Amino acid sequence: DIQMTQSPSSLSASVGDRVTITCRASQGMGNDLGWFQQKPGKVPKRLIYAASSLQSGVPSRFSGSGSGTEFTLTISSLQPEDFATYYCLQHKSYPYTFGQGTKVEIK
Amino acid sequence: QVQLVQSGAEVKKPGASVKVSCKASGYTLSSYHIHWVRQAPGQGPEWMGIMKPGGDDTGYAQKFKGRLTMTGDTSTSTVYMELSSLRSEDTAVYYCARSLVGATTQGPYWGQGTLVTVSS
Repeated sequence: DIQMTQSPSSLSASVGDRVTITCRASQGMGNDLGWFQQKPGKVPKRLIYAASSLQSGVPSRFSGSGSGTEFTLTISSLQPEDFATYYCLQHKSYPYTFGQGTKVEIK
Repeated sequence: QVQLVQSGAEVKKPGASVKVSCKASGYTLSSYHIHWVRQAPGQGPEWMGIMKPGGDDTGYAQKFKGRLTMTGDTSTSTVYMELSSLRSEDTAVYYCARSLVGATTQGPYWGQGTLVTVSS
């Protein structure tokens, strides 16, 4: 099974800050990774698919990069509506696995 | 439009089984895989398994193998998730989802969730 290690588990940031979240895979997985945002009481919303492709309707301040074993989600300028928890999801092989999550809080 | 409508909340005793349904509309059920994801209170989402309704492709998270059964009925556009030998740690909201992964510009599409409470 592919294990995903996501870091950090939480971070505090201010509006306008650049934020970076990382997922590391236990083995190479090409670009079979998505990034999701979840707000309390809501289902996860996909932001990025295929590691770096922006989902339709998602603001361009979100970007993804990486391939193989290391992947990054970047928010270029944090906005008030971006305070949420973020998860990666690998879909290279069954079983698919979510990262442990990164909670982005207001500083 | 694509919709996934799940069955209602369940309360079960430890050791029992629960069967959650997910009725699809707005597309042909057999054309897309369905994922099952659960989320325990205060925890992150947990991928449980995947199936292709009407096909042979299934995948399971190791921790659910032997306890999780996923089935589909293309005649009613409904998929089912049955989890057996329930324990308190299985208390969670269970979701079906379509287009969760892959290069799709639309989606994912989620059911509204089914709360399963396991309590003696």
